[in-house]
Amino acid sequence: DQQVKQNSPSLSVQEGRISILNCDYTNSMFDYFLWYKKYPAEGPTFLISISSIKDKNEDGRFTVFLNKSAKHLSLHIVPSQPGDSAVYFCAASANAGGTSYGKLTFGQGTILTVHP
Amino acid sequence: GAGVSQSPSNKVTEKGKDVELRCDPISGHTALYWYRQSLGQGLEFLIYFQGNSAPDKSGLPSDRFSAERTGGSVSTLTIQRTQQEDSAVYLCASSLGALRNQPQHFGDGTRLSIL
Repeated sequence: DQQVKQNSPSLSVQEGRISILNCDYTNSMFDYFLWYKKYPAEGPTFLISISSIKDKNEDGRFTVFLNKSAKHLSLHIVPSQPGDSAVYFCAASANAGGTSYGKLTFGQGTILTVHP
Repeated sequence: GAGVSQSPSNKVTEKGKDVELRCDPISGHTALYWYRQSLGQGLEFLIYFQGNSAPDKSGLPSDRFSAERTGGSVSTLTIQRTQQEDSAVYLCASSLGALRNQPQHFGDGTRLSIL
């Protein structure tokens, strides 16, 4: 039962253009969402997050959009740079019975390649 | 270093053997998580520690898996009688506290291969 899905295994983009990574979720209890970036042989690194009370959060070149009715979020990277080439994971957490902590449910990841 | 440290970085063992994986979280981080990533999959939650207690062990796949944390710091994940399906990268993460807006910082993982 895949509660967080990233349906695109890979994405290829030209340097300077926009990268859009997508993520869908099925669990309506999820109310906090994060994106992580992972280079080979390294652990994931936190990029950006969004709470369900918002529909957009921006941090420099990275913007996350949340569409609660569609249970969909996306990460926009503008402009894309070759150093952005990595695996990007979408993750979600739920406020479980009033006890809120950071247990994360991850998608399968999308490999982003930014060509010079 | 200031980051989360995991050891060993790689472990190859025979089916049926026991293995111990170690995680040194960032100093002062009270929350600690174990995840694993099987080939081609996303990260799968295993267990969460707050201090030395484990309020959520719901992700441990079977009773062959156990974990402990001592002194509110180092954690070990033990897998007994390993099976080939245990092959995966085991990742540890720590965060300052248990609040969801406190980002989890990951180690580089232990790549476990069961022959």
